[in-house]
Amino acid sequence: GENVEQHPSTLSVQEGDSAVIKCTYSDSASNYFPWYKQELGKGPQLIIDIRSNVGEKKDQRIAVTLNKTAKHFSLHITETQPEDSAVYFCAASPPSLGGKLIFGQGTELSVKP
Amino acid sequence: NAGVTQTPKFRVLKTGQSMTLLCAQDMNHEYMYWYRQDPGMGLRLIHYSVGEGTTAKGEVPDGYNVSRLKKQNFLLGLESAAPSQTSVYFCASRHTGDLYNEQFFGPGTRLTVL
Repeated sequence: GENVEQHPSTLSVQEGDSAVIKCTYSDSASNYFPWYKQELGKGPQLIIDIRSNVGEKKDQRIAVTLNKTAKHFSLHITETQPEDSAVYFCAASPPSLGGKLIFGQGTELSVKP
Repeated sequence: NAGVTQTPKFRVLKTGQSMTLLCAQDMNHEYMYWYRQDPGMGLRLIHYSVGEGTTAKGEVPDGYNVSRLKKQNFLLGLESAAPSQTSVYFCASRHTGDLYNEQFFGPGTRLTVL
């Protein structure tokens, strides 16, 4: 089955710097790759996603890139702000009834003022 | 809309006790999921449902049972709780089809098994 590896597990940046989180997946048939942000004491919330027929997607300060050949996708956050501090999860969705997601282990991002 | 709600928010059980976690959604979603979240392991799928009356196993189903008697509710049961089931449990739901893939998560239930 699908396996998703996420790195780094913790990331500390200064306010205004960029942050990059990387994920690899094992099932070449996976076709949907979302990123979720989880603030302390809350459930995860979708921040951006990408489908397998697209190489890059941007939404203001966040962007996601996908390399299908390498089975690798990344989250890029530019001009980081203290409110970006949270745990970020990547996920991959292998083809299946039910839209199952296989999550990475999570990255705790800390943005220091 | 309340979105996805979970009951209870916190619970402490003794080994061998049973309990049921309730998930409710008011978005008319067909698909519903139960995950557990443990430090360093991300979110792991326990069971899921693709519609009223259906359930299926996820990555870590052992020790749990589920039921989806009504479309808006998804129940997670622990028949005989074990310390290894100490975790934070999240429920999620989403629409069917490929146009709307977002899973909406509830606020979680923190369960401790002593």
